[in-house]
Amino acid sequence: GEEVAQTPKHLVRGEGQKAKLYCAPIKGHSYVFWYQQVLKNEFKFLISFQNENVFDETGMPKERFSAKCLPNSPCSLEIQATKLEDSAVYFCASSPGQGYNSPLHFGNGTRLTVT
Amino acid sequence: RKEVEQDPGPFNVPEGATVAFNCTYSNSASQSFFWYRQDCRKEPKLLMSVYSSGNEDGRFTAQLNRASQYISLLIRDSKLSDSATYLCVVNRGSTLGRLYFGRGTQLTVWP
Repeated sequence: GEEVAQTPKHLVRGEGQKAKLYCAPIKGHSYVFWYQQVLKNEFKFLISFQNENVFDETGMPKERFSAKCLPNSPCSLEIQATKLEDSAVYFCASSPGQGYNSPLHFGNGTRLTVT
Repeated sequence: RKEVEQDPGPFNVPEGATVAFNCTYSNSASQSFFWYRQDCRKEPKLLMSVYSSGNEDGRFTAQLNRASQYISLLIRDSKLSDSATYLCVVNRGSTLGRLYFGRGTQLTVWP
């Protein structure tokens, strides 16, 4: 598609429950990125993929967060045993990856609320 | 020290005003620079890339000073629709797509 599609738009989970977010990148874009935006506009990089391969995972809190990009499926970000501080908007972005000046195209985000 | 620092504002200006935002970045090896705009917690949208020689896109002018590690955005003839949060974004160049965001500068344009 022509837009990065993220689902669901909103997700509410009780503390300790699992949360799974999905992202379909723009067709033809080989790079996918996940960012977390908490209050006060703090954006935090989580992980990036080049096609189905992890490209950079240095931002991931690995003990509870995992992500995948499998062929012919939306990418996913999963949080096991959610905590209150996981409440945030999670943005997925994609890029054709043609160089460092290549901007990212962001999806609408998934707002996760952990209660 | 944060990777990217911005004046959070808010800036409240009347329609037609000229307003300027500043941003500094800490890593001198940073490779590429952008201004994104974010409306009401929606997704960030690219406003413009920032080039070393400075660049202009209609009412918007971006400047980069590598020696001072400073980026600016000038908006001329402000419109009501310019009301948004403006994010200064930097790519170090060490990893594609690994962006560092400022906290954003909030702009409100009033009639």
